[in-house]
Amino acid sequence: NAGVTQTPKFRILKIGQSMTLQCTQDMNHNYMYWYRQDPGMGLKLIYYSVGAGITDKGEVPNGYNVSRSTTEDFPLRLELAAPSQTSVYFCASRGVNTEAFFGQGTRLTVV
Amino acid sequence: GNSVTQMEGPVTLSEEAFLTINCTYTATGYPSLFWYVQYPGEGLQLLLKATKADDKGSNKGFEATYRKETTSFHLEKGSVQVSDSAVYFCARGPNSGGSNYKLTFGKGTLLTVNP
Repeated sequence: NAGVTQTPKFRILKIGQSMTLQCTQDMNHNYMYWYRQDPGMGLKLIYYSVGAGITDKGEVPNGYNVSRSTTEDFPLRLELAAPSQTSVYFCASRGVNTEAFFGQGTRLTVV
Repeated sequence: GNSVTQMEGPVTLSEEAFLTINCTYTATGYPSLFWYVQYPGEGLQLLLKATKADDKGSNKGFEATYRKETTSFHLEKGSVQVSDSAVYFCARGPNSGGSNYKLTFGKGTLLTVNP
């Protein structure tokens, strides 16, 4: 079972570059989430989606964008990378009455 | 809004010691409650869950009971092992039948078990 798949696993960006973190799930879950986890800290919600075509901001959306054109995919876009975006990013999905399933994470360093 | 308050770490124990990590949640509605575990370098994995009052979730020797009267979901294990060293997150789901779809996580508790 694939579950939630994130790519890439690691990435180094230069300040001002852009990139897209990919997330796909094969469980037909309606709800998907992007979190960031800074060293030694908990999870902060960046964006979430309750279904295809619907997205909403979480606690820390600035500097990020998302889209949800299909149920399976929920990419996270960084337009102008900044050192403050150095973090580990986790994608998660959940069904209506299920727990959340997490991807393995993307470790991003902005230099 | 919904919130989860979790015992701050780090927690350091010797092997075979008893573990308790406290977790309380805001009392709005009837949310499902979860404990997640994050091993070094990995994503979060569900450890156990409870969906209604007085339910007990259990897995790998860990237990937690959904206490509505004290709005708590404390994690316990009678005898920890070195392999239990990880970060533990308490979380609450949306209210049953509610429109808030966000999950709410505690800040995490780092557990280190020494041999």
